[in-house]
This record gives sequence, C-alpha cells and structure tokens, in this order.
Amino acid sequence: EAGVVQSPRYKIIEKKQPVAFWCNPISGHNTLYWYRQNLGQGPELLIRYENEEAVDDSQLPKDRFSAERLKGVDSTLKIQPAELGDSAVYLCASSLDGSQGRYTFGSGTRLTVV
Amino acid sequence: GDSVTQMEGPVTLSEEAFLTINCTYTATGYPSLFWYVQYPGEGLQLLLKATKADDKGSNKGFEATYRKETTSFHLEKGSVQVSDSAVYFCALSGGGGSNYKLTFGKGTLLTVNP
Repeated sequence: EAGVVQSPRYKIIEKKQPVAFWCNPISGHNTLYWYRQNLGQGPELLIRYENEEAVDDSQLPKDRFSAERLKGVDSTLKIQPAELGDSAVYLCASSLDGSQGRYTFGSGTRLTVV
Repeated sequence: GDSVTQMEGPVTLSEEAFLTINCTYTATGYPSLFWYVQYPGEGLQLLLKATKADDKGSNKGFEATYRKETTSFHLEKGSVQVSDSAVYFCALSGGGGSNYKLTFGKGTLLTVNP
C-alpha cells in the first residue's frame, strides 16, 4: 500500500511569508497527526484529527498556524506569517487506531525560514 | 507531564558490535512504550513496542524490555549491521497523557562502520 505522502519535501521562505504543507494519509486511516520536529529533538504533536474533526489542537500556535482536513482525508497545515523559529521538519502521520501507537509517518517537509 | 530521556548520541560502532541505547521515562499510570527508527531520507517507522511491565518487544534482532521498577526501556541488539545506521527514538503514549499522543525522546544517531 502507498505510505503517507507529504509535499513539498523542502521549502525555503522568507520570514513573514505564508507557507502550506500537504498530507495524504493511508487510505482508511481515520486518525491524522501533524508533528513538528526541531533540529536535534524528537517530534512534538501539533494537532490530531479524527476524521475531519480536530480533537486535540492544544499544542498548535493558533495565532499563526492553522490546519484543515476536508472530507476526513487529505490535510493541510498552514503558517502565516512564518517566523525564523518555525524552521523545522513538519511530519504527518496516520493510523487506524492511534491508541496502539502504530502510526505511519510521512517523510516530512523540511521548512527553512530565512 | 510525560517525558522520555534517551542517551546522548551520536553512537558509532563497528559491524557486529553489541548495541545498547538507554531510555528512561517519566509518566503517571501505565504508559505503552515504543522504539521508532528513522533511516536517512525516510519517515519514522515503528521498530518495536511493549504495552505492560515485563513485556519484551522485538523486531529485526532488536529487543527492549519494559522495566517498570526502573522506568526504563533500553534498546539492544547483539550484532549490528551497517544497514542499522539510523536515528532511534524512544517514545511513550498513555500514562498521564493521552493514549493517542506519542511523546518522543530527542533521538540517538547510530552509525555502524564496516
């Protein structure tokens, strides 16, 4: 089966510009996650979706970050405006049943804000 | 809150050497424990898991035992190969936090030389 697909793989933008990341999860996976991985750190959860509903967005900086998952399939994560500190790898993951910890991660989008 | 502490890397070994990567955790309740691996250019992959005390997770020659008395989940392999070179992440879910959220350690870079 196809894995979790993310695009773009790399993005370089100037600060204060907007940026968007796209994720296509594994077919049939109802749960979708966005994680952020700073350099030298482990991933940290930004938001979790169950189908089209954001059920945990407590770690999402809502002043500049937004996310959506239309029709409970693909998802986009947006930053507007981007800051230098947003430079990181943004990971998308999906699972059938997240409570078992068996996630499938995408390869991530590496964002550099200059 | 929940947290995971891994041994600092990088770790460099020769082929066929014994590997140990230490991992300890802090959590209330009874978390599930995981090791994820990230090969160069790829997404994180679940390597092994354990869901209760004294459980041993194993996969691809790697093993880790859930030790509640020492709050540890050390990763071991008896004979590493060059293809094992990757970043290894210890993680937990459940405990005091959400069952659906993975809390990761910072990761340990392993390089195996021929």
